Amino acid sequence: SQQGEEDPQALSIQEGENATMNCSYKTSINNLQWYRQNSGRGLVHLILIRSNEREKHSGRLRVTLDTSKKSSSLLITASRAADTASYFCATDRDSGAGSYQLTFGKGTKLSVIP
Amino acid sequence: SQTIHQWPATLVQPVGSPLSLECTVEGTSNPNLYWYRQAAGRGLQLLFYSVGIGQISSEVPQNLSASRPQDRQFILSSKKLLLSDSGFYLCAWSVLVDQPQHFGDGTRLSIL
Repeated sequence: SQQGEEDPQALSIQEGENATMNCSYKTSINNLQWYRQNSGRGLVHLILIRSNEREKHSGRLRVTLDTSKKSSSLLITASRAADTASYFCATDRDSGAGSYQLTFGKGTKLSVIP
Repeated sequence: SQTIHQWPATLVQPVGSPLSLECTVEGTSNPNLYWYRQAAGRGLQLLFYSVGIGQISSEVPQNLSASRPQDRQFILSSKKLLLSDSGFYLCAWSVLVDQPQHFGDGTRLSIL
């Protein structure tokens, strides 16, 4: 079953606006990661936030984590046309014998209009 | 620096034919390796992962198999492809299981 679910499924904004994407998950986690995927390409890691962290920044990206609500958000400030991509959250899960694997959501498709 | 290579980029195969997709990582030792499949407009489904040579864990029972003949080589195979095997296959590596994963550019597989 899906661990992380992104919301909204699609988002269209004007260049220069901020974009906010949300991720909800069901079970406890050790960390949550956000990835970006340009059309037809592999995923690129953006930010990893651990369960004991509440907020992390990387350039124009800001990620928050609320473990009490089992949710995370990704904020992209001052968006650019080049930010057009799909964004995925990924949560770790115990796959047995102390091994943790990532479970990806279905993603939010962001379109930034020039 | 570390790089990951995945080939071919696109592949069109008839139903019932065999499959071999290869992934290699450079610039690191003993990486964790992963094979994912992504259906159109969907998230990633983990197929196989490996924490060392010859160590393969399967996440989903299916028509596919994986092998790791060398430390930085991961191969996805099938003896007989099904229509349902179509999709975008991605290879990835990480230093540790709770660290970021780094992806190749994927193979678009179409089964006719």
